[in-house]
Amino acid sequence: SQQGEEDPQALSIQEGENATMNCSYKTSINNLQWYRQNSGRGLVHLILIRSNEREKHSGRLRVTLDTSKKSSSLLITASRAADTASYFCATDKNYGGSQGNLIFGKGTKLSVKP
Amino acid sequence: DTEVTQTPKHLVMGMTNKKSLKCEQHMGHRAMYWYKQKAKKPPELMFVYSYEKLSINESVPSRFSPECPNSSLLNLHLHALQPEDSALYLCASSHRQSAIANYGYTFGSGTRLTVV
Repeated sequence: SQQGEEDPQALSIQEGENATMNCSYKTSINNLQWYRQNSGRGLVHLILIRSNEREKHSGRLRVTLDTSKKSSSLLITASRAADTASYFCATDKNYGGSQGNLIFGKGTKLSVKP
Repeated sequence: DTEVTQTPKHLVMGMTNKKSLKCEQHMGHRAMYWYKQKAKKPPELMFVYSYEKLSINESVPSRFSPECPNSSLLNLHLHALQPEDSALYLCASSHRQSAIANYGYTFGSGTRLTVV
């Protein structure tokens, strides 16, 4: 079962524009992570935000986390055609106290047109 | 070495075949994972190994059999698969199986499996 739900499911923008993707989740978390996947190949870890953090930056990426609303957003600024990919948020699932197993949301497919 | 290597990249097998998927990492990670991903769907967790011991089995059918021979290797043995098992199989690793550690996962490029 999915823990996270991304919104929108698909996003098409022009190069240079900003892209914002949202993620909602259901249970309490220790951290929330964002991953990128090109053309159905392996996933690449982009950024991790801890439950006690509200915002984090990495290059052109900005992630926010609102634990009261159980939601996160990923902002990609000044997008490039090479940013075209699927983006997934992922949270950990609690197995009776054993945590740390990532469960992925449905993903947002981002298309950046030159 | 900061990679997870999966072999083969593509595999076509019949429903009566026995095959194995292999995954290798040399980052000293002590948690390794198998995920299954169908087209246009998110990855779904199958198995978790922590310190070479099976930690989580997400109710995966017995035709999938994982094995962790040592801390660097993870195998997935396949037998009597069905066409609906066709998918991208992803291996991943992390420092430890612990959310407290707050580590990201490193994924391999996957094996694209087709069952005919």
